[in-house]
Amino acid sequence: NAGVTQTPKFRILKIGQSMTLQCAQDMNHNYMYWYRQDPGMGLKLIYYSVGAGITDKGEVPNGYNVSRSTTEDFPLRLELAAPSQTSVYFCASSASSGRGPEQFFGPGTRLTVL
Amino acid sequence: DAKTTQPPSMDCAEGRAANLPCNHSTISGNEYVYWYRQIHSQGPQYIIHGLKNNETNEMASLIITEDRKSSTLILPHATLRDTAVYYCIVRGNNAGNMLTFGGGTRLMVKP
Repeated sequence: NAGVTQTPKFRILKIGQSMTLQCAQDMNHNYMYWYRQDPGMGLKLIYYSVGAGITDKGEVPNGYNVSRSTTEDFPLRLELAAPSQTSVYFCASSASSGRGPEQFFGPGTRLTVL
Repeated sequence: DAKTTQPPSMDCAEGRAANLPCNHSTISGNEYVYWYRQIHSQGPQYIIHGLKNNETNEMASLIITEDRKSSTLILPHATLRDTAVYYCIVRGNNAGNMLTFGGGTRLMVKP
């Protein structure tokens, strides 16, 4: 299993540009998450999904959109990039049941907006 | 979910046990204690979790006090590769199994 994969690894955007961060998992997990991590800080939840077709906002959703058309993929869309969105973005997935299921994280996408 | 308090940083000598404390005095009866770590900007990695009993796996041991208001993560023989930020997270049965990350403890293992 590849686990959770993210592309691209790095990206530089100009202010106002758009892009999609890709995330895929091959563990058949129903739950998927997007976090951002600013320098020296903990992770903050942007959006999450409990299954295909179902998404919900996390703590910091403004400026982002998500979709979940399949169990495997959970792309994150930035429509009008701003310098405040410069961050490292992590995607994660977990099983939907079981005793306290753990989250598996991808390697991250480092985004700079100039 | 209950808030956690961790020291911002700790040092440990290589080969010795690393004991990382976490305070969660407002924890509720159905909330689990989770530990994750993040090695140098990689994605966080799950270590262990527990509800009330002490837990042990191949990576670490988790000791939860009887009143559940604090816990300690123990890395029995720390190596240089254990240098990382360690996050203690308390999570209840929220709809999306979401985790709330605080600042964590930066553990530096020194030779």
